[in-house]
Amino acid sequence: GQQLNQSPQSMFIQEGEDVSMNCTSSSIFNTWLWYKQDPGEGPVLLIALYKAGELTSNGRLTAQFGITRKDSFLNISASIPSDVGIYFCAGQKNNAGNMLTFGGGTRLMVKP
Amino acid sequence: EPEVTQTPSHQVTQMGQEVILRCVPISNHLYFYWYRQILGQKVEFLVSFYNNEISEKSEIFDDQFSVERPDGSNFTLKIRSTKLEDSAMYFCAQGTSNYGYTFGSGTRLTVV
Repeated sequence: GQQLNQSPQSMFIQEGEDVSMNCTSSSIFNTWLWYKQDPGEGPVLLIALYKAGELTSNGRLTAQFGITRKDSFLNISASIPSDVGIYFCAGQKNNAGNMLTFGGGTRLMVKP
Repeated sequence: EPEVTQTPSHQVTQMGQEVILRCVPISNHLYFYWYRQILGQKVEFLVSFYNNEISEKSEIFDDQFSVERPDGSNFTLKIRSTKLEDSAMYFCAQGTSNYGYTFGSGTRLTVV
């Protein structure tokens, strides 16, 4: 099946630091989505990317859709304790019943 | 903001028993999905449902699984004869990537 390789698997950073995580794939996706998941909760959409090369911001979050449509990154600037959680990238191909393929997740821990 | 509501939040069942997981979607969306997440792993697609029919399903969605919209609003996932390896969080989702692909808070299924 399709694979999204997400890295790093985990990060432990100091409050105030910037964070970067990325996803790569061997196949093309038409849409990239970034989600955050808190313990015991469902994924919550952070940013959606629709065009190759697109750079989109949502507050302290910035994400880009790679030119080749096979990769995406998410940056978090000036991290705060409530940024703690698991971040997932997800790719969608328009001809596949709208299913999402998820990456393995990046667990972010922030030290106050 | 409207939420996708799932019940129950936690279900414990004996191996071999049937379970039905329920989802109350947000109205005015046509696409519905079920995903699962085994503890500590990534979110995996099970099935998409459009216009009261299965649109796409994964290899995980075998004959033990079925989906319905019995009353035109609630959306259910049935597992006929549960196995230990069915223990996971099950998420209902709704929408498309262009119109807010929203996940519920999940049902934790524990098979003993």
